[in-house]
Amino acid sequence: DTEVTQTPKHLVMGMTNKKSLKCEQHMGHRAMYWYKQKAKKPPELMFVYSYEKLSINESVPSRFSPECPNSSLLNLHLHALQPEDSALYLCASSQGLQGFGEAFFGQGTRLTVV
Amino acid sequence: DAKTTQPPSMDCAEGRAANLPCNHSTISGNEYVYWYRQIHSQGPQYIIHGLKNNETNEMASLIITEDRKSSTLILPHATLRDTAVYYCIVRVLPPGAGSYQLTFGKGTKLSVIP
Repeated sequence: DTEVTQTPKHLVMGMTNKKSLKCEQHMGHRAMYWYKQKAKKPPELMFVYSYEKLSINESVPSRFSPECPNSSLLNLHLHALQPEDSALYLCASSQGLQGFGEAFFGQGTRLTVV
Repeated sequence: DAKTTQPPSMDCAEGRAANLPCNHSTISGNEYVYWYRQIHSQGPQYIIHGLKNNETNEMASLIITEDRKSSTLILPHATLRDTAVYYCIVRVLPPGAGSYQLTFGKGTKLSVIP
């Protein structure tokens, strides 16, 4: 199984809503990533988890809150978002420091904030 | 971080080889070059990676110059399905971080023409 599964595929939320994006992998990877991608732009790194610990936070606003409950799951909790946060949110995983295998990406969650 | 420079767009005739260049003149000795591609509205897909030597797999070949300041991704027989944005990335391990970091540049939009 070389898949990274993201749910939901599409999400529309209001600025006062709280929602969560989910990401799951069963490849035994110990590094997991959240990226944000605006239209016609490259993916931008948001967070990196390594062995379930937050390793990198690229100065992301606190309205985005990541969580790694176990080695297979990665969540991104959303609260009080702005319309400019509308984007494709991508999750990825890799072997991390135990090996330099390539990162596998999910198909993303397309988020629209209204 | 080593940054990469790629042409914004390229065309290639179907069936011909597509040669995508990348400059990474500030790359460090232990930093790998990775190539990913992103087909419209999908998650990025790993293609190939290398350190010093040329590499080949079932998808592509990677040619790295001896001074490691540039590389070329070669798709030997481009098809219409190879139309995508191709990203050249230098993978870095930030100080104190527990995992590698992939930072995407602007990439090259490759259009394969029938």
